[in-house]
Amino acid sequence: AQTVTQSQPEMSVQEAETVTLSCTYDTSESDYYLFWYKQPPSRQMILVIRQEAYKQQNATENRFSVNFQKAAKSFSLKISDSQLGDAAMYFCAYSYRNTNAGKSTFGDGTTLTVKP
Amino acid sequence: EAGVAQSPRYKIIEKRQSVAFWCNPISGHATLYWYQQILGQGPKLLIQFQNNGVVDDSQLPKDRFSAERLKGVDSTLKIQPAKLEDSAVYLCASSPRWELFFGEGSRLTVL
Repeated sequence: AQTVTQSQPEMSVQEAETVTLSCTYDTSESDYYLFWYKQPPSRQMILVIRQEAYKQQNATENRFSVNFQKAAKSFSLKISDSQLGDAAMYFCAYSYRNTNAGKSTFGDGTTLTVKP
Repeated sequence: EAGVAQSPRYKIIEKRQSVAFWCNPISGHATLYWYQQILGQGPKLLIQFQNNGVVDDSQLPKDRFSAERLKGVDSTLKIQPAKLEDSAVYLCASSPRWELFFGEGSRLTVL
């Protein structure tokens, strides 16, 4: 079974600074997706960024980028120029890259606090 | 585009009572999921539908949980009888392919 581990229950960052959230996963598959989802307090979870395992290039979405290390099964999220609106719980997730690609396994999350 | 709708947002019941949650996915999304999110944990998959058929319900406690998806659109998740450990947020998500679109969730408190 696939597992996703987020070893940092809580992180904090000063506004405008950079923070990196860590994630490791375990799988025997070679083709899969990795995701970072953001869950603001009392609001719905939304996708932040997606990485396809067959792509060597790290995904980037504006201030959000990932460091994908396939051999190490590591998938970290870097948030640059942190903003107050980035405060949320962040979940790393894994999914097979097949017809059930939406069926994801989630880590237990990292709560990010942004200090003004 | 309307998002995933869920109701009720909050529900408080006593143990051994029953409860039902409703979900209306994004139009055109064939796949629908119910996840259980216990406080301090990540979402755990309960059941996956493809159109109106069940794809995966291996993690659904079938002695007390049931779910259906009518006409491949709306879905209901029922718990009967509820236990204290069922206190959680029940998240509905729909997907066109690989990205999950979540509703705001239904928070259940079992006393």
